[in-house]
Amino acid sequence: AQTVTQSQPEMSVQEAETVTLSCTYDTSESDYYLFWYKQPPSRQMILVIRQEAYKQQNATENRFSVNFQKAAKSFSLKISDSQLGDAAMYFCAYRGYTGANSKLTFGKGITLSVRP
Amino acid sequence: GAGVSQSPSNKVTEKGKDVELRCDPISGHTALYWYRQSLGQGLEFLIYFQGNSAPDKSGLPSDRFSAERTGGSVSTLTIQRTQQEDSAVYLCASSLFREYGNIQYFGAGTRLSVL
Repeated sequence: AQTVTQSQPEMSVQEAETVTLSCTYDTSESDYYLFWYKQPPSRQMILVIRQEAYKQQNATENRFSVNFQKAAKSFSLKISDSQLGDAAMYFCAYRGYTGANSKLTFGKGITLSVRP
Repeated sequence: GAGVSQSPSNKVTEKGKDVELRCDPISGHTALYWYRQSLGQGLEFLIYFQGNSAPDKSGLPSDRFSAERTGGSVSTLTIQRTQQEDSAVYLCASSLFREYGNIQYFGAGTRLSVL
């Protein structure tokens, strides 16, 4: 079974600074997807970024980028130029490659606060 | 609608009562998922529907939990004889099965409180 670990329950960053959220996972599969989701107080999970395991290039979406280390099974999220609206819970998630294994396995999440 | 819709937004019930939670997925999405988010257990998978295939019920915690999906669209999650440990936020997500990467889009959830 796959597991996802987010060991930091909380982090804080100064507005306009950069912060990195850590995530590790365990799997015996060679192909899979990794995701970071953001959950603001409204409860709705919003996709931040996605990484395909077979791609060596790290995914980037505007101010958000990942550091994907497949051998180390590490998948960290870097938020640059942090904004007040980035304050939320962030979840790292794993999904298997085949349709039959498409459920998401989540880490326990990290609460990010942004200081003005 | 444009997104995944869940109702009710909040539900308070008494221990032992049955509850039904509704999920209306994004139009055209063939895959539908239910997850539960609780303080103690984090986010857990409950059940997965894909088209006309038999659902994957492997995450349902007990036989008090059941779900159905009518006409390949709206889904209802039913919890019978609710217990206090069922208190949680129940999240629904849908996706295009054939979409590259199978991104799941979530609703805002139903917060269930069992007194």
